[in-house]
Amino acid sequence: KNEVEQSPQNLTAQEGEFITINCSYSVGISALHWLQQHPGGGIVSLFMLSSGKKKHGRLIATINIQEKHSSLHITASHPRDSAVYICAVRANFGNEKLTFGTGTRLTIIP
Amino acid sequence: DGGITQSPKYLFRKEGQNVTLSCEQNLNHDAMYWYRQDPGQGLRLIYYSQIVNDFQKGDIAEGYSVSREKKESFPLTVTSAQKNPTAFYLCASSISRGRHNEQFFGPGTRLTVL
Repeated sequence: KNEVEQSPQNLTAQEGEFITINCSYSVGISALHWLQQHPGGGIVSLFMLSSGKKKHGRLIATINIQEKHSSLHITASHPRDSAVYICAVRANFGNEKLTFGTGTRLTIIP
Repeated sequence: DGGITQSPKYLFRKEGQNVTLSCEQNLNHDAMYWYRQDPGQGLRLIYYSQIVNDFQKGDIAEGYSVSREKKESFPLTVTSAQKNPTAFYLCASSISRGRHNEQFFGPGTRLTVL
C-alpha cells in the first residue's frame, strides 16, 4: 500500500463544476503539499499546509490531521485548470523527505 | 525573475552513454533536489544537497551521480549503470531542508535512451 493515495486517478468535468480531489496518507506528517503539473511537465506548488484550511483564488485546500486526509477543491472550474494535481507529504520522522502521490489527472471540458 | 532552470527540455542518448542534466537556481536556496517521474508513479528522490559540497543519496540513487560545487548549480549525471534511464527528471530547491520549507520545481528534462 502506498503511503500517499489520491482519488480519483482521473477526473473529467464540465466547465463551471465544483471539483474535489482527495489525498489520504498513512504516516504522521509535519506538512502536506498540493502541486500542479501542466502538460509540459513543470510543477507549481499550490499549497503547503499542516492544519486547517487555505484558500487562494478559486482553490481551497483542507487537511484533517486526525483522519490523515486532505482535499483540494476548485470552484468555478475552467479549462485552464486542466492538469495533474499531486499530493505530497513530509513525514515528521526520519529524514523528513517528501513522499508523493501518483497524481489526479483533471480535464475540464468547455 | 528568480527561478529554477533545467536544460535541455528534451534529451536523447544512446544506450551506454553517460549524460548530464543541468539544474540552476537563482533563488539563493541552500537545498536542492533531483527527482525522477515515471508514468503511474509518484516522484521519487534520487539525490539531495543541503549545502555546497555536500549531497546525500535519496531512494533511487543507483546509477546516478551529482555534484554541488556552487550554491546555484546541482547537475545530475545519468550513468550507463542506470538500468532504465528513460524518464522525466525534475530538479527542485528550497531555502533549506527544514520540515516547513516549500520546494520550488524546475520545468523538467525528459530523457530518452535509445
